[in-house]
Amino acid sequence: QLVLTQSPSASASLGASVKLTCTLSSGHRSYAIAWYQQQPEKGPRYLMKLNSDGTHSKGDGIPDRFSGSSSGAERYLTISSLQSEDEADYYCQTWGTGIWDVVFGGGTKLTVL
Amino acid sequence: EVQLVESGGGLVQPGGSLRLSCAVSGFTFSTCEMHWVRQAPGKGLEWVSYSPSSGSSIYYADSVKGRFTISRDNAKNSLYLQMNSLRAEDTAVYYCARNPVVAASGYYFEYWGQGTPVTVSS
Repeated sequence: QLVLTQSPSASASLGASVKLTCTLSSGHRSYAIAWYQQQPEKGPRYLMKLNSDGTHSKGDGIPDRFSGSSSGAERYLTISSLQSEDEADYYCQTWGTGIWDVVFGGGTKLTVL
Repeated sequence: EVQLVESGGGLVQPGGSLRLSCAVSGFTFSTCEMHWVRQAPGKGLEWVSYSPSSGSSIYYADSVKGRFTISRDNAKNSLYLQMNSLRAEDTAVYYCARNPVVAASGYYFEYWGQGTPVTVSS
């Protein structure tokens, strides 16, 4: 079964960097994912599509502070020079081999200290 | 500028029906694959349904199959979700979202609306 696992919470200081992790379930480590940001009381915002080789394509207007990388079954979202507006929920999502496999991770709540 | 604007949400009793609409602008709707995604209060995101740009390859999450129907009117640049036999567990904010336009890019959500809330309660 295709499952994405995210830590429920993370925190980092203003101006620092943070690396969020999304882990693909066993047997699915080749899949691409997408990352989304959801600020409080807002709809989700697409950040990037991240491939298994670490290449990624970002959405319109996404700052260079947001980057992605991959290692095995892990997909990472790194946010550098953290700002207060980066405090949000971050979700990963994949589609496996087709639309029938669309699934979201449980989300990570990022607190900027 | 790409815009998606949902409407039609509200309070409905269990077993009732509701029809959501999503009006889009800023892109060629008729050539785009579209989705509905929902988020229950305090919970994560859940994909609900997919509409191809044309044709009949429509898909639903198991949780709504047989009760929800996705449709579109390309002349009106609008996407719809007819929700029947509503249950308390369907209570959520419903978002429409656009698939990326690049062919064979995958199934993810490049643009989102602001959402419309649906509450199923007696």
